[in-house]
Amino acid sequence: QVQLVQSGAEVKTPGASVKVSCKASGYTFTSYAMHWVRQAPGQRLEYMGWIKTDNGNTEYSQNFQGRVTITRDSPASTAYMEVNSLRSEDTAVYYCVTYAGSIIYWGQGTLVTVSS
Amino acid sequence: IVLTQSPGLLSLSPGERATLSCRASQSVRGIRLAWYQQKPGQAPRLLIYGASYRAPGIPDRFSGSGSGTDFTLTINRLEPEDFTVYFCQHYGGSPWTFGQGTKVEIK
Repeated sequence: QVQLVQSGAEVKTPGASVKVSCKASGYTFTSYAMHWVRQAPGQRLEYMGWIKTDNGNTEYSQNFQGRVTITRDSPASTAYMEVNSLRSEDTAVYYCVTYAGSIIYWGQGTLVTVSS
Repeated sequence: IVLTQSPGLLSLSPGERATLSCRASQSVRGIRLAWYQQKPGQAPRLLIYGASYRAPGIPDRFSGSGSGTDFTLTINRLEPEDFTVYFCQHYGGSPWTFGQGTKVEIK
């Protein structure tokens, strides 16, 4: 069965960077793109961007262009999402999501807290 | 595509039917519209994909319908565990977008 397992919670100070990992299993990693979504407290889900896992091409939502980098390590079946220049408004749960064979699968989420 | 859900809050009793609406600002391509249930501290749980297809393991009291710009999630015979937040998602192209959610509470 498809599983996406994310790295653990992080606490960062403003201006720092955070890198969240997402390890996929149960399917061929390079067959489906990996997307990243975040949910700030009390807010609706917000789409960040995606990576084509076969060739590494990426596309970012306008709100995150220039501050977010999505990468992948195909042999390790793992995708990564890095946010730079963190600010308090980036405090959120970050999810990796894949759309595989009509079904949408979500990771368990990674809480990133930005606080001085 | 902006998704607007209504109502924001739905107060019902166990055993009643819930009808949740999701309206898109433009037609959703390929009917790529999904519905989720989300409980506090948990990842979203996929209920419906392709506007009307139940995800594996989802009880048949959950059903989805609609096309174009108007979509509906219906929950028949509400169970106690159904009282939580639901939201819709468009995934027909980048960027994906999400509704703001409807909370179903016990009356």
